[in-house]
Amino acid sequence: DIVMTQSPDSLAVSLGERATINCKSSQSVLYNSNNKNYLAWYQQKPGQPPKLLIYWASTRKSGVPDRFIGGGSGTDFTLTISSLQAEDVAVYYCQQYNLTPLTFGQGTKLEIK
Amino acid sequence: QVQLQESGPGLVKPSQTLSLMCTVSGGSISSSGYYWSWIRQHPGKGLEWIGYIHYTGSTHYNPALKSRVTISVDTSKNQFSLKLTSVTAADTAVYHCARDYFDGNSGLRYFDYWGQGTLVTVSS
Repeated sequence: DIVMTQSPDSLAVSLGERATINCKSSQSVLYNSNNKNYLAWYQQKPGQPPKLLIYWASTRKSGVPDRFIGGGSGTDFTLTISSLQAEDVAVYYCQQYNLTPLTFGQGTKLEIK
Repeated sequence: QVQLQESGPGLVKPSQTLSLMCTVSGGSISSSGYYWSWIRQHPGKGLEWIGYIHYTGSTHYNPALKSRVTISVDTSKNQFSLKLTSVTAADTAVYHCARDYFDGNSGLRYFDYWGQGTLVTVSS
């Protein structure tokens, strides 16, 4: 199985400031034939199911604000929220879809400082 | 707008079988390009993919649970279901059903619609 490890487990950031979440996979999720990283990011607010934010490591789903920025390649990835808004308080998960079983990171809880 | 709704018992006794149903509305479970997954979330913990089914009946399970899991589909009712046998307290979790978009050409896949989830507690 590809193990996904996120850091930190929790993060407190002031409104308007930048928040960065890291995700590391135990093996590369970059597929050389198309040069794409098989990684997605999800946001889960309290009492709600997860919501897709980003796929291909950096492609925002339609309707997702452009303050959400995905980056990285191979085994190391980041999700950056460029200017934190109150509605961004949530738990964020990375997930690889390069191989089954599909696996998620343990989650990073983002709060307002 | 596609909607998914889980249903089933909220309490299951140890060693028994957990059975859940997911009803899909606002779209056909037989639409091409989609699989239908079960994902669980242990209390206060992360997400664990259980397995998926295609409307043709093709399935793929997480090896960690494969010996105990069966996912089936009823296209006439637009539903798919989960059975997990020989449950223990470790199977206590919120169980979500989700639509699993898959592009076979590029390999892109993601969960684009989720049910709210249903808490299943394993306890005597």
